Amino acid sequence: NAGVTQTPKFRILKIGQSMTLQCTQDMNHNYMYWYRQDPGMGLKLIYYSVGAGITDKGEVPNGYNVSRSTTEDFPLRLELAAPSQTSVYFCASSKEVSYFGPGTRLLVL
Amino acid sequence: QKEVEQNSGPLSVPEGAIASLNCTYSDRGSQSFFWYRQYSGKSPELIMSIYSNGDKEDGRFTAQLNKASQYVSLLIRDSQPSDSATYLCAVRSPGNEKLTFGTGTRLTIIP
Repeated sequence: NAGVTQTPKFRILKIGQSMTLQCTQDMNHNYMYWYRQDPGMGLKLIYYSVGAGITDKGEVPNGYNVSRSTTEDFPLRLELAAPSQTSVYFCASSKEVSYFGPGTRLLVL
Repeated sequence: QKEVEQNSGPLSVPEGAIASLNCTYSDRGSQSFFWYRQYSGKSPELIMSIYSNGDKEDGRFTAQLNKASQYVSLLIRDSQPSDSATYLCAVRSPGNEKLTFGTGTRLTIIP
C-alpha cells in the first residue's frame, strides 16, 4: 500500500493564480481531511469528507474548495491564491487512526 | 479555552533520561486519544493511541490517560537524539469525524 499520496511536493504561485492540490489514498478509508500548517504552528482543518459525495468545512475553509467524487481522491482547489495561503498542506485519511500524506509546500508570491 | 492544550516548549531532556509530554482537553466526552511525532519538514506520524484510563506501553513509549482529569501524557524512556521532534496530541469525541490537534510540544534531546 502506498498509503496517502500528495502532489505536487512544492509549488510557487503568483497572487491570483489557481491550482489544485491532489490527494489519493489506497486504504479504502471513508474519512479524508485537508490541513494547513503554518511555520511553528499546529494543524488547522480546512475541509473534510466522510465519504464520496460528502464534504464539510473545517475551521479555515475560506479561499478553498474541495470535491470527493471517489473514495480514493480528495483534491483541494485554490481559486485565487493569496500570500496568506503560503503554508504546508497535509492530506490525511482515517478509519479510526489518521494517516498523513507527505505534504505540499505552497509559496504564494 | 483551547480544545486541546499542550506546552509549546521547547522541552530539553538529556540523552538517556525520561521525557514527559503533557496534554489537556476540554471535551469531557472525548474517547480517542493519539500522539503523533513530527520531524521538521515532515508529516505527522502516529506513535501511540489510547482509549482507556491507565497506561499503554509500546517499546520506549508509554501513553497515560486520566479521563477524570481530562489529561493525557506521553513518556519516552531512554531518550535518544532521534526522539527530537514536535509531538502532537490529538483527541476525537464519539460521533465526531474530526480529530482535534494541540499545537504541539517541541522536544530536544541533548546528547
